[in-house]
Amino acid sequence: SYELTQPPSVSVSPGQTASVPCSGNKLGNKYVCWYRQKAGQSPVLVIYQDNKRPSGIPERFSGSNSGNTATLTISGTQAMDEAHYYCQAWDSSTVIFGGGTKLTVL
Amino acid sequence: EMQLVESGGGLVQPGGSLRLSCAASGFTFSSYEMNWVRQAPGRGLEWLSYISRGGTTIYYADSVKGRFTISRDNAKSSLYLLLNSLKAEDTAVYYCARELWETGVRRIDYWGQGTLVTVSS
Repeated sequence: SYELTQPPSVSVSPGQTASVPCSGNKLGNKYVCWYRQKAGQSPVLVIYQDNKRPSGIPERFSGSNSGNTATLTISGTQAMDEAHYYCQAWDSSTVIFGGGTKLTVL
Repeated sequence: EMQLVESGGGLVQPGGSLRLSCAASGFTFSSYEMNWVRQAPGRGLEWLSYISRGGTTIYYADSVKGRFTISRDNAKSSLYLLLNSLKAEDTAVYYCARELWETGVRRIDYWGQGTLVTVSS
């Protein structure tokens, strides 16, 4: 079965750029979505179709996807961005989630 | 305002059953595919099941195939998940989630607040 792999944690200083990677076999051939989940809340879509932002998501959120790796990038990271981030893709008819990355803003 | 409100969670003994419901409002429910996703305590997201707009196409994760049944009632703007033969490892928050298709591109664009299922004796 298809798998998406994320590092358990990423740390970033306020104002700096955070990069959250997600790897999978030939992931660049699939569209990737990213979700943000703050503690005690439901997930929120922050990136779809590799690099598109839904309305209401700040411009500092961006995405890329090529080869075997998709990356969520948060520019000018703020304390409010501290959360778990999950990548997601479809494999045939099933939804695949990465294991999630805890982004800590130090 | 768009809303997805899950209900039906609770404490159930191993081997028992539960029926989860998800009430949709603020959008045309019948125009959207729907999914169920769960999250065990302190763990990541796990996709469980998908149902097409008309309910004719259904998919399940291998972990729940044969035990869980997804269904929908478009007249009531409601999504359901019947959970049978429950195990301790089914303990989780269960989310219903809306799927949007646009020009061949899919995304899960809205999630409910979740309902907690606890399987324990």
